[in-house]
Amino acid sequence: AQSVTQLGSHVSVSEGALVLLRCNYSSSVPPYLFWYVQYPNQGLQLLLKYTTGATLVKGINGFEAEFKKSETSFHLTKPSAHMSDAAEYFCAVSPQAGNMLTFGGGTRLMVKP
Amino acid sequence: KAGVTQTPRYLIKTRGQQVTLSCSPISGHRSVSWYQQTPGQGLQFLFEYFSETQRNKGNFPGRFSGRQFSNSRSEMNVSTLELGDSALYLCASSPRESSYNEQFFGPGTRLTVL
Repeated sequence: AQSVTQLGSHVSVSEGALVLLRCNYSSSVPPYLFWYVQYPNQGLQLLLKYTTGATLVKGINGFEAEFKKSETSFHLTKPSAHMSDAAEYFCAVSPQAGNMLTFGGGTRLMVKP
Repeated sequence: KAGVTQTPRYLIKTRGQQVTLSCSPISGHRSVSWYQQTPGQGLQFLFEYFSETQRNKGNFPGRFSGRQFSNSRSEMNVSTLELGDSALYLCASSPRESSYNEQFFGPGTRLTVL
């Protein structure tokens, strides 16, 4: 069985500050890991994913995440927050076979001017 | 290329009724997955179809069912609606059956059960 825990349902940062959204997972087999973003009244958009290879993954809009197997973590970071980053962010895992994502509870990111 | 489309976008039903939601995947995509999103339970996997076959199913009662047609379009059906079925239902498509490939999400159908 797989599960995902996102620490902090709400995170508030100032514009220009570092964004850090935390994600820890549990899985009995090596999973694939994802970060999705959801803007109000919209579906989910993939920010980045880790499947194999380099553990530091770069995504869209300046986001990146590092897969740390020893810590079972996949935290999302962005060096400088922009007002347009305000949205809800979801970490997810999936087995390597099959398109079935297990999502964390989500983190709502608020960016203050 | 057109994205994933879901119809209708909004739906209001009463308890006990049944509902059918439709999803048209991106052209060429053969995998369609469905998810339910609620404030209380978050995002939960319902089922996945690939080439008209249900490959995986989440932990939902039998009132939730789905199917996929030969053109990869998919429908999900919920019978005997309950208040707790009020949710945003998201459909996602992918070109292949492995999650190595990105899943592209539609805007969702918001179902309200009164």
